[in-house]
Amino acid sequence: DAGVIQSPRHEVTEMGQEVTLRCKPISGHDYLFWYRQTMMRGLELLIYFNNNVPIDDSGMPEDRFSAKMPNASFSTLKIQPSEPRDSAVYFCASKPKGLQGPKPNYGYTFGSGTRLTVV
Amino acid sequence: AQKITQTQPGMFVQEKEAVTLDCTYDTSDPSYGLFWYKQPSSGEMIFLIYQGSYDQQNATEGRYSLNFQKARKSANLVISASQLGDSAMYFCAMRGSIGGTSYGKLTFGQGTILTVHP
Repeated sequence: DAGVIQSPRHEVTEMGQEVTLRCKPISGHDYLFWYRQTMMRGLELLIYFNNNVPIDDSGMPEDRFSAKMPNASFSTLKIQPSEPRDSAVYFCASKPKGLQGPKPNYGYTFGSGTRLTVV
Repeated sequence: AQKITQTQPGMFVQEKEAVTLDCTYDTSDPSYGLFWYKQPSSGEMIFLIYQGSYDQQNATEGRYSLNFQKARKSANLVISASQLGDSAMYFCAMRGSIGGTSYGKLTFGQGTILTVHP
């Protein structure tokens, strides 16, 4: 299995531009999570999906952020318009259904992250 | 709501010594899971160890052990025989139980930067 695949790995964009981050979860995983990591705020959960349905989006910072999961194998996180304070590393993670996944990671698998820089 | 607290922004340890990274948590879920992750400078999130709230024994994985004290709501990570490669950011995280308000999602602490000195 290729694991959770995020693209792009790095993104540099100008303030005001639209940015789209992409994630392909592990096949068969029912849950998908989007996290944002910054020095000031640490790792924040932005939104998560179960069976393609958004369950909790309370972490989405504002209306400029939107996330979709059109099917079980693809999700996007979009920022429009982007601002310098959106600069962060964005992680996607997925997990199978059930209370406790198998070893070694008990189900949660993280992608390599997308480092976003808004100038 | 779940809350994870890591009160040590940075820790230093001498190579080959043991170090304890602190983690306390708060939750109203009847059962939960506790995780520790390592994030080296390369940025990836590496799973280290897991403890279920009803597990009778403290979890161990090689040089990593979890000192789980349920009554105190603490889940400290102990790294024995520290190595230079252990220098990294370490995160404690919690997952809620089925039927709880936080099922499925991982809530993270602020992290502790560990530096291992030769």
